[in-house]
Amino acid sequence: DAGVTQSPTHLIKTRGQQVTLRCSPKSGHDTVSWYQQALGQGPQFIFQYYEEEERQRGNFPDRFSGHQFPNYSSELNVNALLLGDSALYLCASSFGQGASPQHFGDGTRLSIL
Amino acid sequence: AQSVAQPEDQVNVAEGNPLTVKCTYSVSGNPYLFWYVQYPNRGLQFLLKYITGDNLVKGSYGFEAEFNKSQTSFHLKKPSALVSDSALYFCAVRDMGGNTGFQKLVFGTGTRLLVSP
Repeated sequence: DAGVTQSPTHLIKTRGQQVTLRCSPKSGHDTVSWYQQALGQGPQFIFQYYEEEERQRGNFPDRFSGHQFPNYSSELNVNALLLGDSALYLCASSFGQGASPQHFGDGTRLSIL
Repeated sequence: AQSVAQPEDQVNVAEGNPLTVKCTYSVSGNPYLFWYVQYPNRGLQFLLKYITGDNLVKGSYGFEAEFNKSQTSFHLKKPSALVSDSALYFCAVRDMGGNTGFQKLVFGTGTRLLVSP
């Protein structure tokens, strides 16, 4: 049973470019959340998708957008990249909105030059 | 807003000794608390959660956590540390985001655990 998978593993971009990160949730999960983890920090919530709609959003600018597909997989898009966007981007999946724990992928390491 | 604090950046313990990683919380309502572990270049792995019930919660890999309502704490413990337990540990609290009905996790800043042989 595959867990949460993310691609790519690493990515290098330059300022001003755009990037798309992908996530496949754990089998049986229908909710996907995205987090940004800067070096030496705890993960910060970006947004969450359920039934293909953004349900909750953290304190991130509109340059960060996302999508969820009918098969529950999700994409995170970041436009006009800034140096400060360099971070580990984590995808987490869960089932429903109860107290079931979120399961995390290994993340995408994004470096902005 | 819900929050958690991890007062120690790093905890050092010798292998075989008991370990404690501290976490305090600030919530409105009943807290839903979690512990996750992160190994280098990996995502977060779920260790255990507290929802309600017994104040001592048992989790994966021999870890347990003690919920203390009067001290608003949720410390992670293990009776006998292993070198392989060396990693970054995060405490988190569920935030229901007002009336949205959808939850997110709010994480602490993390505590690095170093277990020496």
